[in-house]
Amino acid sequence: RKEVEQDPGPFNVPEGATVAFNCTYSNSASQSFFWYRQDCRKEPKLLMSVYSSGNEDGRFTAQLNRASQYISLLIRDSKLSDSATYLCVVRRDAGNMLTFGGGTRLMVKP
Amino acid sequence: NAGVTQTPKFQVLKTGQSMTLQCAQDMNHEYMSWYRQDPGMGLRLIHYSVGAGITDQGEVPNGYNVSRSTTEDFPLRLLSAAPSQTSVYFCASRHRAGGTYEQYFGPGTRLTVT
Repeated sequence: RKEVEQDPGPFNVPEGATVAFNCTYSNSASQSFFWYRQDCRKEPKLLMSVYSSGNEDGRFTAQLNRASQYISLLIRDSKLSDSATYLCVVRRDAGNMLTFGGGTRLMVKP
Repeated sequence: NAGVTQTPKFQVLKTGQSMTLQCAQDMNHEYMSWYRQDPGMGLRLIHYSVGAGITDQGEVPNGYNVSRSTTEDFPLRLLSAAPSQTSVYFCASRHRAGGTYEQYFGPGTRLTVT
């Protein structure tokens, strides 16, 4: 079983839609959680960190459920420019390493 | 401020050839890493370094060597290229601890081994 698992998609949604992605992680010792965004043929970039109490950044909301070991990302009012792959990332305290999920591809259509 | 730079952007090798992928960062980050990205596999850690003179293996280290003689540079060497090493390679850097743990990536090197 992969340490960080995501539905690869693609999620095809119309502009203005709300879309949600989930990510599950297997190591209960995981300490920090993030969502990265990767555009086609580009490098990943940090979208947002995920805090225990949940956090929001504009149209993006991230939630963490430690009991069930999953992280979610909600995008409201989708824009064409949101089309990208969203990577779930987990940091374990031991070794301070980041582990990446395989990514979920989002395609927003006009 | 250049951030993380990688060279070359594209490379084609024949099986058995060796080469070095270059990576440099100008943010004084302690932590540097090399990942490979294959379709459906996500980013997998090859080697990483927590500071000059210190390197360690990641998830998929076989066939690759690294060294970290300076804070800025972290080259990745392919010893004897194999078709299974066809991939996109990303170098990344971040501060070792504290803050947001934000990892900055270079633009990637697209490697094809024939």
